[in-house]
Amino acid sequence: QSALTQPASVSGSPGQSITISCTGTSSDVGGHNVVSWYQQHPGKAPKLMIYEVNKRPSGVSNRFSGSKSGNTASLTISGLQAEDEADYYCSSYASSSTLVFGGGTKVTVL
Amino acid sequence: EVQLLESGGGLVQPGGSLRLSCAASGFTFSSYAMTWVRQAPGKGLEWVSTISGTGDRTYNADSVKGRFTISRDNSKNTLSLQMTSLRAEDTAVYYCAKPVSVANGLDAFDIWGQGTMVTVSS
Repeated sequence: QSALTQPASVSGSPGQSITISCTGTSSDVGGHNVVSWYQQHPGKAPKLMIYEVNKRPSGVSNRFSGSKSGNTASLTISGLQAEDEADYYCSSYASSSTLVFGGGTKVTVL
Repeated sequence: EVQLLESGGGLVQPGGSLRLSCAASGFTFSSYAMTWVRQAPGKGLEWVSTISGTGDRTYNADSVKGRFTISRDNSKNTLSLQMTSLRAEDTAVYYCAKPVSVANGLDAFDIWGQGTMVTVSS
């Protein structure tokens, strides 16, 4: 149950696009289309932004999109806004009926 | 409104026990597997345990196997986590979470509680 690998931080200016990567193995990210992304503001519970690689829950802005290639999933935020500044976590179903999260990425809006 | 409300956190000594509860409302509780996720101070999210909708299957992270027991009471719409042999590294905010789909409890979680803090310290 090793954590998925995410960059510690990503930054961008308002209006720009940024991409956060989430790298796992063939036992988790690469082997299942069950990758999710969460946004977490300080002191708050996580909020689901993307599920099953590229599906957006109702109410989530279409500026958020997800994709996957091999063992790496990605979250792209387009048209970066100040309120997007937060921590972002990926997660994936893993073999043997477990779930694994990434270490988290701090997004800074410059 | 779909809601989860955790309770039971607090300060406990190493080696001690604590029982967390999560009261669910606004959805058909028994139809969904439910999960506990924790977050140590300043750290990332960590999956802890998941229980099926009927309660007959449980899944646990290696870090808590043999020490934590997840359970549920569908008649009371309540999820529980019994924690024993607590260690300093169990110090965290504990969240209960509901999955998006009834079909896969280890998928994505669209509803989270506000969390309850557990501190293990002497």
